[in-house]
Amino acid sequence: EAGVVQSPRYKIIEKKQPVAFWCNPISGHNTLYWYLQNLGQGPELLIRYENEEAVDDSQLPKDRFSAERLKGVDSTLKIQPAELGDSAVYLCASSLRVVDEQFFGPGTRLTVL
Amino acid sequence: AQKITQTQPGMFVQEKEAVTLDCTYDTSDPSYGLFWYKQPSSGEMIFLIYQGSYDQQNATEGRYSLNFQKARKSANLVISASQLGDSAMYFCAMREATNSGNTPLVFGKGTRLSVIA
Repeated sequence: EAGVVQSPRYKIIEKKQPVAFWCNPISGHNTLYWYLQNLGQGPELLIRYENEEAVDDSQLPKDRFSAERLKGVDSTLKIQPAELGDSAVYLCASSLRVVDEQFFGPGTRLTVL
Repeated sequence: AQKITQTQPGMFVQEKEAVTLDCTYDTSDPSYGLFWYKQPSSGEMIFLIYQGSYDQQNATEGRYSLNFQKARKSANLVISASQLGDSAMYFCAMREATNSGNTPLVFGKGTRLSVIA
């Protein structure tokens, strides 16, 4: 069974540019999560989807970040415009239901110059 | 206040020895779950073990066991017979079950384990 797939694995952009990350969860998993992981820290939740509905986006900086999961399967996280402080690893995870264990993808390492 | 505290930024262990990674947590909810994840240099978070707050016995999964001391609010991970491949970051995390549903996973800052041959 394929795990959580994320792309790209690495992205380098200049500040003020837009960037997008893509995540394909494990087949059949209804719950999808986007996490931000700063260097030397644990992951922090940005947004959680139940199917196509964003049920917890309280930590998502909505002035520059947006996310969508249109058909309740794969998801895209966008930053526009990117700032230097956005340099981090963006992790996607999925679970069958919110009470089940989460499976993580390899992450996208973003560097903003 | 930090919900999850991992006080060991780094740990070293000799191959084939056992090692304990510390984790303390803070919650007033009676129902919660504790998780340990491993993050190798490749970046992927790998689920290791889970302990529910109402579980009577300490969780075990192969070489991993969780030393759950509820009164002390600690959930230490014990890795027995360490292997070189165990070298990684280890994160403790907690999820609370409130009346309005499960809270998101909250992670500690992690402990970097280095296994020495």
